[in-house]
Parts: sequence; C-alpha cells; structure tokens
Amino acid sequence: ETGVTQTPRHLVMGMTNKKSLKCEQHLGHNAMYWYKQSAKKPLELMFVYSLEERVENNSVPSRFSPECPNSSHLFLHLHTLQPEDSALYLCASSQDLAAGGMDEQFFGPGTRLTVL
Amino acid sequence: AQTVTQSQPEMSVQEAETVTLSCTYDTSESDYYLFWYKQPPSRQMILVIRQEAYKQQNATENRFSVNFQKAAKSFSLKISDSQLGDAAMYFCAYKGMRTGNQFYFGTGTSLTVIP
Repeated sequence: ETGVTQTPRHLVMGMTNKKSLKCEQHLGHNAMYWYKQSAKKPLELMFVYSLEERVENNSVPSRFSPECPNSSHLFLHLHTLQPEDSALYLCASSQDLAAGGMDEQFFGPGTRLTVL
Repeated sequence: AQTVTQSQPEMSVQEAETVTLSCTYDTSESDYYLFWYKQPPSRQMILVIRQEAYKQQNATENRFSVNFQKAAKSFSLKISDSQLGDAAMYFCAYKGMRTGNQFYFGTGTSLTVIP
C-alpha cells in the first residue's frame, strides 16, 4: 500500500450504531487530519494530530471521537450519529505541522458515510 | 477566519481547449500559500499546483498554470490542452504562514471535459 488509505470505503449505519473509520498513511508523515466533505460546502477540518497528539478540534460534536495510536494510524469513532452527519470523510497527512511550511496534504480516497 | 470562494460550481471545456477556473480569497495576512487540488471521480484528492504569495512569478506545472493577483486576492487555474482525464472537482485552498496549519478550502468547481 502506498500513500494514504482509508477503510471502509462505504459505510451505512443507523443512528444507534457504533462504528469506526480507519486511516493509515505510508508516507512517514507526522501530521494527520480528518475532514468532512459535504456537497456544495467547503471541506470542514475536524481534527488535527501531530505526533499522536491532538492539536486541533474544530468544535466537532462529541459523537465523533478521534484516536491516533501512532503517527501512521488515525481512527474516527462514531456513535449516535445524526442523518446530517452523512458525508464523505477524508483523511489526510502532511510531513509536519511546523508553522510556515508549505507542506502539501496528501489525501485518502475517503469513506462515504450514510446515516439512516 | 480566512475564506476561499470559488464562484463557478460547474464548468465545461472541449477537449484540447483551454479553461480557467476562478478562485478568490480573503485574508489579512501578507504571507501565505495557495493550492489547487483535483478530486477525480475516484475521490482521492491530489495536488495540482501551489504558489507562494511572496513569489511574483506565476507557478506552472506542465499544462497547468495559475494567474496569481495578490492585490486582487485572486488565484485562478488555467488548464491548457484539456484532456478527458482532467474531468474532476477542483478545489482552491489557502494556508497562512503564521496562523497555524489549517488549510481553508473553497466549495469546488466541477469540470467536465467534452470529447
């Protein structure tokens, strides 16, 4: 595997279910991100991790719970979601979080989440 | 907060022709980076081109070039000799040099290439 991978690619869940999204980066990067992509809206940054420490949480509801066990893996645990949470969830990584750097972000293919 | 505006939700271009995608942004910073990302139907977003705000010369990458107008806060993408593989969503993004590491994305432009 190369780049950034995400599993599953598609997920359908009920509002009372608990599920997890997984992201893995094979690039040796130190920073990882979760984004929510909804139609006709800008990408919404949800969480940022640097060297397994959460450095940013953009007012995301507590029904989304991130976990970063090491710098290569990032999870997004989901529980009691709402239908409006249906979206494409993208994971990304970048070399570093050093301010001033123009490191690009490398994206995974995303998980298409549908909440019934 | 910085905002990025892409005013063209959809664009189309004939194969082999040239198309320009618009992007404007709002910021009070003087130093920043701008990016264009491409998201094909398979959904993996990839970087197309990037520009440092302190560089006056417009960035180019093969058939892709930008028109960066700092005073107007405009950053358009020109695709020359359009190919069928260029069909995708294109996102403009901004990243400040001093205000953390957040990327701000526009809403995207869906580009159709007509054979």
